[in-house]
Amino acid sequence: DSGVTQTPKHLITATGQRVTLRCSPRSGDLSVYWYQQSLDQGLQFLIQYYNGEERAKGNILERFSAQQFPDLHSELNLSSLELGDSALYFCASSASGGEGGTDTQYFGPGTRLTVL
Amino acid sequence: ILNVEQSPQSLHVQEGDSTNFTCSFPSSNFYALHWYRWETAKSPEALFVMTLNGDEKKKGRISATLNTKEGYSYLYIKGSQPEDSATYLCAFSMYSGGGADGLTFGKGTHLIIQP
Repeated sequence: DSGVTQTPKHLITATGQRVTLRCSPRSGDLSVYWYQQSLDQGLQFLIQYYNGEERAKGNILERFSAQQFPDLHSELNLSSLELGDSALYFCASSASGGEGGTDTQYFGPGTRLTVL
Repeated sequence: ILNVEQSPQSLHVQEGDSTNFTCSFPSSNFYALHWYRWETAKSPEALFVMTLNGDEKKKGRISATLNTKEGYSYLYIKGSQPEDSATYLCAFSMYSGGGADGLTFGKGTHLIIQP
């Protein structure tokens, strides 16, 4: 158990809908990262937040947004969902993130999103 | 677009044998190289973070080396055991002026240890 929690574990929804995925980092970790794992794709970095502020951005679609709250939990919002958004979404956390590339990242169990 | 290549894609090894696999990454603006182990139905588990050329890290029977000048890292498993069966991912971060970007992952080497 990494100490990172994600809810829900599974989510099934329809095209055009909007969903919110939630992540609580390990106690004391300031950075949260979101990744997407689609079929036949490697883990794709979406976005990083550090102590409430956006720190780095990857291949995140404009239909997706994220935020990190004062208690350091994070939410990933996915809107106008398409079939191709079906994937496993992971959250990871690390202690700092000011130099995020060198921090060990601890992954949560993931949320499996299915868009029908 | 950064490319992180891992080879081989999959590997079958007899229990007790040693094995190794490769991660290739861009050598310019290197920041860090991460190795993860990902077992089925679990989340990726961090093995090593390596930053310096010539770095060698070890955790039990698993070790890794890093060559930043030529852009590759090797992961070694000595005396493979069935519990080593997993997908091994490497991930690369690059310095981009304002700090490091997020990790770019390879597609992994799927290792199966046969008893």
